[in-house]
Amino acid sequence: AQRVTQPEKLLSVFKGAPVELKCNYSYSGSPELFWYVQYSRQRLQLLLRHISRESIKGFTADLNKGETSFHLKKPFAQEEDSAMYYCALIGSSNTGKLIFGQGTTLQVKP
Amino acid sequence: NAGVMQNPRHLVRRRGQEARLRCSPMKGHSHVYWYRQLPEEGLKFMVYLQKENIIDESGMPKERFSAEFPKEGPSILRIQQVVRGDSAAYFCASSPTDNYGYTFGSGTRLTVV
Repeated sequence: AQRVTQPEKLLSVFKGAPVELKCNYSYSGSPELFWYVQYSRQRLQLLLRHISRESIKGFTADLNKGETSFHLKKPFAQEEDSAMYYCALIGSSNTGKLIFGQGTTLQVKP
Repeated sequence: NAGVMQNPRHLVRRRGQEARLRCSPMKGHSHVYWYRQLPEEGLKFMVYLQKENIIDESGMPKERFSAEFPKEGPSILRIQQVVRGDSAAYFCASSPTDNYGYTFGSGTRLTVV
């Protein structure tokens, strides 16, 4: 079964602290993994995708096929990072549809 | 380019009425996806359409829900005889191909009273 799991509903950190948002997936083939962010009252925006290996707003994510994980990391959290973060995958046979995790709310305190 | 436009932003319907949600994809995008976000849950895929064709409707409830993407005009998600359980945020996304970064709309929040 294709599944994306984000075990934490809420992650609260202080400004300047490191952040790691966890994401595990279940897919038998070679999926493409994404992180989307939704700031308050705004639309979902693509943050990064594993295939491009980019670093956006200081966030990085490495695909670990052995652990089937795609955790999102940032060394120093900023208050403006407070948002809802969704991990998602597209499978090779998925006709392009995204399978989302439940989302994690990141709260960065001053 | 105005991005993916969804309207209305908020829609209130009484039980038994019909709800029509509209999505205009980005210019040049011919692939449209609809997702539903129920309270306390993540986004769930509903349907994938190209112009005049439904490609994948595996996430659509079997009854009362339908979607179309006509040759001209926006994509429409239609919910007939709405019930309280249909209350959710409905998001549309478009892409130029079937496996490349989507652009999402702002969503329509449907409330059934």
